[in-house]
Amino acid sequence: QSVLTQPPSASGTPGQRVTISCSGSSSNIGSNYVYWYQQLPGTAPKLLIYRNNQRPSGVPDRFSGSKSGTSASLAISGLLSEDETDYYCATWDGNLSGPVFGGGTKLTVL
Amino acid sequence: QITLKESGPTLVKPTQTLTLTCTVSGFSLSTNEVGVGWIRQPPGKALEWLALIYWNDDKRYSPSLKSRLIITKDTSKNQVVLTMTNMDPVDTATYYCGRWGWDAFDIWGQGTMVTVSS
Repeated sequence: QSVLTQPPSASGTPGQRVTISCSGSSSNIGSNYVYWYQQLPGTAPKLLIYRNNQRPSGVPDRFSGSKSGTSASLAISGLLSEDETDYYCATWDGNLSGPVFGGGTKLTVL
Repeated sequence: QITLKESGPTLVKPTQTLTLTCTVSGFSLSTNEVGVGWIRQPPGKALEWLALIYWNDDKRYSPSLKSRLIITKDTSKNQVVLTMTNMDPVDTATYYCGRWGWDAFDIWGQGTMVTVSS
């Protein structure tokens, strides 16, 4: 069971805006930055959002992150078929003294 | 260009010790604020952090696996080594190493699949 809670699945149609939630606690999301990863099938995770809402170079501005209290969200606008894959949230947990991940969300583009 | 590459056995027997090596390039293991860690992912399941070693040799371990893990680094060889004892079939997973920067794993290796079976 993952420390951070994500919905196992999400879906949207091409061009739509979808959001994926990530819920934690005061020891993790509530007091630390949140990060989001995209994992294409058979490949390593790729950093999509860092420090709550920053995009690494090369990540389209269709992807955005936000955080409020002990929860965070990843939003994907202008959904494309290539966005259909797995997404993970992550943060530091002060109680565990290490990084923690969400259980992952599989995004389907209908 | 920053790269990380995992290497090690693809098959280990139950109770054996697993040793994985992460060879990095494009950055130094002694660079301030930088670290390298290990993360695993069982087939079809979520990511799980295992261990992290910082530039100053400070180390962190997952509390649930701490008794079985040792992480070390050899700066001169640009390598980080993870040792996991008493392997079990439930440890079957893809093992990734990642560079720790921006307070997260910002660059990952391609991963190496390890199967635990007799």
